[in-house]
Amino acid sequence: DTEVTQTPKHLVMGMTNKKSLKCEQHMGHRAMYWYKQKAKKPPELMFVYSYEKLSINESVPSRFSPECPNSSLLNLHLHALQPEDSALYLCASSQGVQGAVGNTIYFGEGSWLTVV
Amino acid sequence: QQPVQSPQAVILREGEDAVINCSSSKALYSVHWYRQKHGEAPVFLMILLKGGEQKGHEKISASFNEKKQQSSLYLTASQLSYSGTYFCGTVDRGSTLGRLYFGRGTQLTVWP
Repeated sequence: DTEVTQTPKHLVMGMTNKKSLKCEQHMGHRAMYWYKQKAKKPPELMFVYSYEKLSINESVPSRFSPECPNSSLLNLHLHALQPEDSALYLCASSQGVQGAVGNTIYFGEGSWLTVV
Repeated sequence: QQPVQSPQAVILREGEDAVINCSSSKALYSVHWYRQKHGEAPVFLMILLKGGEQKGHEKISASFNEKKQQSSLYLTASQLSYSGTYFCGTVDRGSTLGRLYFGRGTQLTVWP
């Protein structure tokens, strides 16, 4: 079972709203990721958590705030977003803590975010 | 460092073969191949770790050259279900944090 579950699947929010994206995995994976993907582009890494600690932040604007409450859950808190932040947000996980070094990264189905 | 993927797009008839290439100017630790269908998340196909390695998955296989700087994905006797965008992802040798960099993708369209 290689399932990463994301909610909600679709989200429309205004530029002054605060919302959160949620991600869950029960595979015992120790690394979890947020990626952002725009149409016809590859996924771009935003954050990596290893053992529930933030290990990589790819210079993401502070209007995106990740949180890892426990080893199975990963949240992405959204506040004061811009229309250009509209994209598919992908959560992923992998077994090892060294990111993709020898480990497969499994993606969830994604959350489609539209900022109006 | 982002790998270079080619070609950008491929159009095939059912039953035809295709090759997608992925290369880096640096030696790599690993290459990961994904397929993404329109409106869906990327789905893992395979990972290659060893120079000279070849791996197969049904009629889809891949190779990793001896220098570990180039990988190719082979799709033989293509089926309609193979349509989608194929991404290679690479991890640079010596990477401690294991960042996976994706190529720009190859859009594969299979027609009946």
